[in-house]
Amino acid sequence: QSALTQPASVSGSPGQSITISCTGTSSDVGSYNLVSWYQQHPGKAPKILIYEVNKGPSGISNRFSGSKSGNTASLTISGLQAEDEADYYCCSYAGSSTLVFGGGTKLTVL
Amino acid sequence: QVQLQESGPGLVKPSQTLSLTCTVSGGSISSGGYYWSWIRQHPGEGLEWIGYIFYTGSTFYNPSLKSRVTISVDTSENQFSLKLTSVTAADTAVYYCARASGYIYTNFDFWGQGTLVTVSS
Repeated sequence: QSALTQPASVSGSPGQSITISCTGTSSDVGSYNLVSWYQQHPGKAPKILIYEVNKGPSGISNRFSGSKSGNTASLTISGLQAEDEADYYCCSYAGSSTLVFGGGTKLTVL
Repeated sequence: QVQLQESGPGLVKPSQTLSLTCTVSGGSISSGGYYWSWIRQHPGEGLEWIGYIFYTGSTFYNPSLKSRVTISVDTSENQFSLKLTSVTAADTAVYYCARASGYIYTNFDFWGQGTLVTVSS
């Protein structure tokens, strides 16, 4: 069970859109529509943004959206805002009641 | 609103057992519908799922940690606990407890604030 692969960093200017990828295998991301995304600000606990690939919990801005193609899931943030600067993690079901996280992506808002 | 709070020693000696407890408020573990999880984050690194438990005591663990991990639940105290044996410096991390919800319990929707555990002599 290896960690999912995310880019170490991405950046964008306020108002722009960015996409963070999360690449797994046919044993996790590719086999299940059970990918979730989390936002973590420094020193804080993670917060769920997206679950089951593309569903948003109540109270989460619709600027955050998710998708999946094959073994790669993606998180898109539209209309970037300064407060979006944070670390982002994907997580996927990996079968046999186990879960695996991605290595995390640091988003910088320029 | 469900709240989770981790507690336990912040310093553990190498080869000893790390023990943490998560106290849940604002909801009953016994109500079912959720798994109760432990997740850790090594300093400056990503998240690692350790395992989780249902109120009945059913557990699932990360295969890479399974031989050293035990998660237990105390429904009378509305708490669940983590024990990690034979710790080394590589187990130094912030440990979070979290509630897992949704289909096959894959969504971590409520988290504790996290507690730093340092393994050092």
